[in-house]
Amino acid sequence: DAGVIQSPRHEVTEMGQEVTLRCKPISGHDYLFWYRQTMMRGLELLIYFNNNVPIDDSGMPEDRFSAKMPNASFSTLKIQPSEPRDSAVYFCASSLSPGYGYTFGSGTRLTVV
Amino acid sequence: AQKITQTQPGMFVQEKEAVTLDCTYDTSDPSYGLFWYKQPSSGEMIFLIYQGSYDQQNATEGRYSLNFQKARKSANLVISASQLGDSAMYFCAMREGKEGKLIFGQGTELSVKP
Repeated sequence: DAGVIQSPRHEVTEMGQEVTLRCKPISGHDYLFWYRQTMMRGLELLIYFNNNVPIDDSGMPEDRFSAKMPNASFSTLKIQPSEPRDSAVYFCASSLSPGYGYTFGSGTRLTVV
Repeated sequence: AQKITQTQPGMFVQEKEAVTLDCTYDTSDPSYGLFWYKQPSSGEMIFLIYQGSYDQQNATEGRYSLNFQKARKSANLVISASQLGDSAMYFCAMREGKEGKLIFGQGTELSVKP
């Protein structure tokens, strides 16, 4: 099993540009989560999906952020337009069910200049 | 209010000694799960151990054990025989009820001295 795969590993973009982060969960995992990690705020849950349906997006900071899961094997997190305060490490994680462990991807380090 | 509290921003331990990392939680839901993750300097999040609220026994995984005190709402991680490779950030997390999401504490940075 290849684990949770995120791309790109690093992204540097200019303020105002659109950024798209990608995630492939572990096959068979019904839950997918997007987290953001910063020094100031720690690990924050942005949104999570169950069977491709968004369940809780209360952590999405503002309308500039959007997430989709068009099928069971792919999800995107988009920021448009990006701002310097969006600089963070963005993690994707997947899980078989709430009672099981959550497997994290390697993260995408986003820098907005 | 904080749902997960880790009061130790940083800790030092001598190699081969045991260390306890503290975690307290707050929930009114009788069904919940508690997790510990390790994040080394390379950045990945590594699952260590899980404790369910109805589990009668404290969870153990190799050198890791979870000291679960339900009445005190604490779920401390105990690492026995510390190794240099244990130096990392450690995060406690909680899942409430049937909710799928994990809420994380602020983390404790552990440094193992040779």
